[in-house]
Amino acid sequence: NAGVTQTPKFQVLKTGQSMTLQCAQDMNHEYMSWYRQDPGMGLRLIHYSVGAGITDQGEVPNGYNVSRSTTEDFPLRLLSAAPSQTSVYFCASRDRLDYEQYFGPGTRLTVT
Amino acid sequence: DQQVKQNSPSLSVQEGRISILNCDYTNSMFDYFLWYKKYPAEGPTFLISISSIKDKNEDGRFTVFLNKSAKHLSLHIVPSQPGDSAVYFCAASGANFGNEKLTFGTGTRLTIIP
Repeated sequence: NAGVTQTPKFQVLKTGQSMTLQCAQDMNHEYMSWYRQDPGMGLRLIHYSVGAGITDQGEVPNGYNVSRSTTEDFPLRLLSAAPSQTSVYFCASRDRLDYEQYFGPGTRLTVT
Repeated sequence: DQQVKQNSPSLSVQEGRISILNCDYTNSMFDYFLWYKKYPAEGPTFLISISSIKDKNEDGRFTVFLNKSAKHLSLHIVPSQPGDSAVYFCAASGANFGNEKLTFGTGTRLTIIP
């Protein structure tokens, strides 16, 4: 099992550019989430999904879009990048009946 | 409004001694708590958890204590080892398994001194 994989590991964007952060899991988990980690802020939930075709907003959803067309994949889209979106992004998944989340290795994004 | 607080940004402990990491929460609806460990350039990994129906959960060198009346939990690591040097996050969730709003603290960086 590869677990939760994220691509790319690093990305630099200019303000206004768009991009998609990829996330995939091979554990057949129904629940998937995106978090961002900023210094002194812990991990904050951006969007989550409880199954294919179902998504919802977390604590800091503005500026991000998600979709869930398959159980395995949960991409995060930045439509028009802003310097405030400079952060480390983590994707996570868990089984429907378990609290434990499995995290990917993260994507470090810098917006200039 | 920080609902889960880890007031110590860093902690240094001698190898072999006990490490105690603390976490406070304000939301009385939280009833499941988890600790995650994070090494640099890696994602957080699950360490140990506790339900609000318990006041203690033990797994090898790691023990989590929960004091519901004080809205406080702590993670004890005994004995501390150099490989325990990492950032530790406390997290809390409501009772509903469908609740994805896992709330994290800001983390405590633990350094074990050989």
